[in-house]
Amino acid sequence: AQTVTQSQPEMSVQEAETVTLSCTYDTSESDYYLFWYKQPPSRQMILVIRQEAYKQQNATENRFSVNFQKAAKSFSLKISDSQLGDAAMYFCAYRRKSSGDKLTFGTGTRLAVRP
Amino acid sequence: EPEVTQTPSHQVTQMGQEVILRCVPISNHLYFYWYRQILGQKVEFLVSFYNNEISEKSEIFDDQFSVERPDGSNFTLKIRSTKLEDSAMYFCASSESGSNQPQHFGDGTRLSIL
Repeated sequence: AQTVTQSQPEMSVQEAETVTLSCTYDTSESDYYLFWYKQPPSRQMILVIRQEAYKQQNATENRFSVNFQKAAKSFSLKISDSQLGDAAMYFCAYRRKSSGDKLTFGTGTRLAVRP
Repeated sequence: EPEVTQTPSHQVTQMGQEVILRCVPISNHLYFYWYRQILGQKVEFLVSFYNNEISEKSEIFDDQFSVERPDGSNFTLKIRSTKLEDSAMYFCASSESGSNQPQHFGDGTRLSIL
């Protein structure tokens, strides 16, 4: 079974600084997807970024980028120029490549942004 | 941008009562999901649904739970006899056909069992 581990329950960053959230996962699959979801206090689940395992290039979305290390099964999220609106719970998630397959989530990292 | 919509946003129910949570997935999506999140815990998969049948369900999804797509637009989750431990946030999600399509989540229904 696939597992996703987020070892940092809480993180804090100064506004305008950079922060990295860690995620590791375990799978026997060779091709799959990885995601970071943001959950603000309103408790919506907002897709931040995704990575396809067969792609060597790390995904980027504006201030958000990932460091995907397939051999190490590591998938960290870097937030640059942190903003107050980035404060939220961040969940790392895994999905096999099959159509319609479920997401497996980590336990989340709560990010606080200090003004 | 199309959204997944869930109703109600908050449901309060007495223990032992039946509850139905409703979702309207994005119109051209073919895969539908329910997840739940107990307060302070991670999001857990309950069930996925495709082509009018359950494709996969977790061990949480026992006989008390059922899903239905009654009219081609709504996707419902029914809990037949609610327990205190069913109190959680329930998220509906949907995705298009194709393995590279992400799941889009609704805003969730907060279910409180008294």
